[in-house]
Amino acid sequence: SAVISQKPSRDICQRGTSLTIQCQVDSQVTMMFWYRQQPGQSLTLIATANQGSEATYESGFVIDKFPISRPNLTFSTLTVSNMSPEDSSIYLCSSSGSTDTQYFGPGTRLTVL
Amino acid sequence: AQKVTQAQTEISVVEKEDVTLDCVYETRDTTYYLFWYKQPPSGELVFLIRRNSFDEQNEISGRYSWNFQKSTSSFNFTITASQVVDSAVYFCALSESKAPNSGGSNYKLTFGKGTLLTVNP
Repeated sequence: SAVISQKPSRDICQRGTSLTIQCQVDSQVTMMFWYRQQPGQSLTLIATANQGSEATYESGFVIDKFPISRPNLTFSTLTVSNMSPEDSSIYLCSSSGSTDTQYFGPGTRLTVL
Repeated sequence: AQKVTQAQTEISVVEKEDVTLDCVYETRDTTYYLFWYKQPPSGELVFLIRRNSFDEQNEISGRYSWNFQKSTSSFNFTITASQVVDSAVYFCALSESKAPNSGGSNYKLTFGKGTLLTVNP
């Protein structure tokens, strides 16, 4: 299984600012995914990060708010833009390779004041 | 649309008790995968098992076992002789096939709301 790391592990940010979260996988993977987990809730898929093309966003999520980069097969970033307290969540990235099982990073705990 | 229901929001047991976490799913796909993940208090999501829709054999891994019943669209998870370290939120998830031109064979996951399991000493 792939080993996934995320930076930062947690952050406290002011409203109106932006935060970029990095996700690094220890092997090349076909697809990477970004999820949001609001406090006490389940995981919701934000977007699929495609290498060499634009990310595919789920309903309710837009590129202006959550721009995503995927410069190569092992790395992706998610930016949470113009943050508000409602963006306080855990953000998790995952990857899947040939087995189609998604493995998750440790998550980034974001608090917006 | 895909849907995963975990009706048990919270379960509390005493150590060494057996506990079953329920998962019921809805899908129109004929080919799909079911998963269980564990999320301990530290927050990371730990993969436990994947089961494809064509394989209804039950599986046992140590103290963990899974019962897949396609006829009732259920994929239940049993922990035998529970331990305090089993305390976590457990998520059941269902995959769906992505569009044919999306590349690769990777699937979008739909998660249930999770079951918080507390194992007391």
